[in-house]
Amino acid sequence: ILNVEQSPQSLHVQEGDSTNFTCSFPSSNFYALHWYRWETAKSPEALFVMTLNGDEKKKGRISATLNTKEGYSYLYIKGSQPEDSATYLCAHNAGGTSYGKLTFGQGTILTVHP
Amino acid sequence: DTGVSQDPRHKITKRGQNVTFRCDPISEHNRLYWYRQTLGQGPEFLTYFQNEAQLEKSRLLSDRFSAERPKGSFSTLEIQRTEQGDSAMYLCASSLSGYNYNEQFFGPGTRLTVL
Repeated sequence: ILNVEQSPQSLHVQEGDSTNFTCSFPSSNFYALHWYRWETAKSPEALFVMTLNGDEKKKGRISATLNTKEGYSYLYIKGSQPEDSATYLCAHNAGGTSYGKLTFGQGTILTVHP
Repeated sequence: DTGVSQDPRHKITKRGQNVTFRCDPISEHNRLYWYRQTLGQGPEFLTYFQNEAQLEKSRLLSDRFSAERPKGSFSTLEIQRTEQGDSAMYLCASSLSGYNYNEQFFGPGTRLTVL
């Protein structure tokens, strides 16, 4: 994997469904993996910063896992609500001389229907 | 509101005109980034400042683009002789070096439409 890739590109679920997204990133030169939620007309909001292989982080109904050896991260949303509708972005930070610039995936657009 | 702010939020211009965007970072943040997002893509890195020094520029940043951060506070991004391909969302982010693996905080973006 040379770039950051996210799947699926879009997802429609019903309220109450649980869902998950995948982010694949280069497993070499890893410093951190960031997850953001971006609602229309708002600023992207930081959800998680994942740094260690095997990391699991949770914020309310949202959780994330990290596998740095194989280069992937999963984001889970349990019991989706309409207010969870947003674009979910992951971003890879290679560290070192990259000065912390983030390389983003194309995002997963989640729509939760009432 | 002490978050990152950007001005204007929307800009419509005609091809060939110059435009300038402003970003005000979180006050204590020493790093400032510009990204550009086009339809269907994730944000792409454009340039980065640490204090007032511009330390890296993406090859995406053509000669028509210039960014400044005088006095290490706010930053401006100018696009000269705009082209229709410049239409995009321009995002600014700031961070504090050494904090939480360079967690970046984003502004709401400036949406540029070039007619």
